[in-house]
Amino acid sequence: GQQLNQSPQSMFIQEGEDVSMNCTSSSIFNTWLWYKQDPGEGPVLLIALYKAGELTSNGRLTAQFGITRKDSFLNISASIPSDVGIYFCAGHDNYGQNFVFGPGTRLSVLP
Amino acid sequence: DAGVIQSPRHEVTEMGQEVTLRCKPISGHNSLFWYRQTMMRGLELLIYFNNNVPIDDSGMPEDRFSAKMPNASFSTLKIQPSEPRDSAVYFCASSRTATYEQYFGPGTRLTVT
Repeated sequence: GQQLNQSPQSMFIQEGEDVSMNCTSSSIFNTWLWYKQDPGEGPVLLIALYKAGELTSNGRLTAQFGITRKDSFLNISASIPSDVGIYFCAGHDNYGQNFVFGPGTRLSVLP
Repeated sequence: DAGVIQSPRHEVTEMGQEVTLRCKPISGHNSLFWYRQTMMRGLELLIYFNNNVPIDDSGMPEDRFSAKMPNASFSTLKIQPSEPRDSAVYFCASSRTATYEQYFGPGTRLTVT
């Protein structure tokens, strides 16, 4: 089946630093979604991308739909302690039939 | 607006018992999804419904698992009999259509002893 890869698997950063993470697929995707999951909660949708090359911001978060349609990037600027959590990418494949999640990037923010 | 509602939030049961998890999707959403999350396997799609009809149940692990959606505002996921390896967090999500962004409930943490 479809697989998404996320990197890095985990990262430790200092408060105030910028963060970059990415998600890749071996096949073309039609949509890319980024979710954040806090401990004990369900994933919360952060940003949805629907067009190749699309760049979308949500506060300090910016995500891009890769031109090749096989990758997406999420950037967080000026990190704060509440950014701690697991960030998942997800998407629909080219046929819109399969919706898959990546394994997640675990972010820790040090004060 | 109310989000996806799941109950119970926590369930502890003994091996062999029947477990029923419940979900109320966001009003107006036509697609509903059941996921299971474990440390080892991450988020796995179990089954999804479109307009109350099961579309893809290929992720249901075995016959002990069954899901129903009797109407647009309610779905259940049943495990009978439950086993310790079923211990996980089960999420329900809904979306306007099957190809639109999904919104997740808070999950049910199931522990089978």
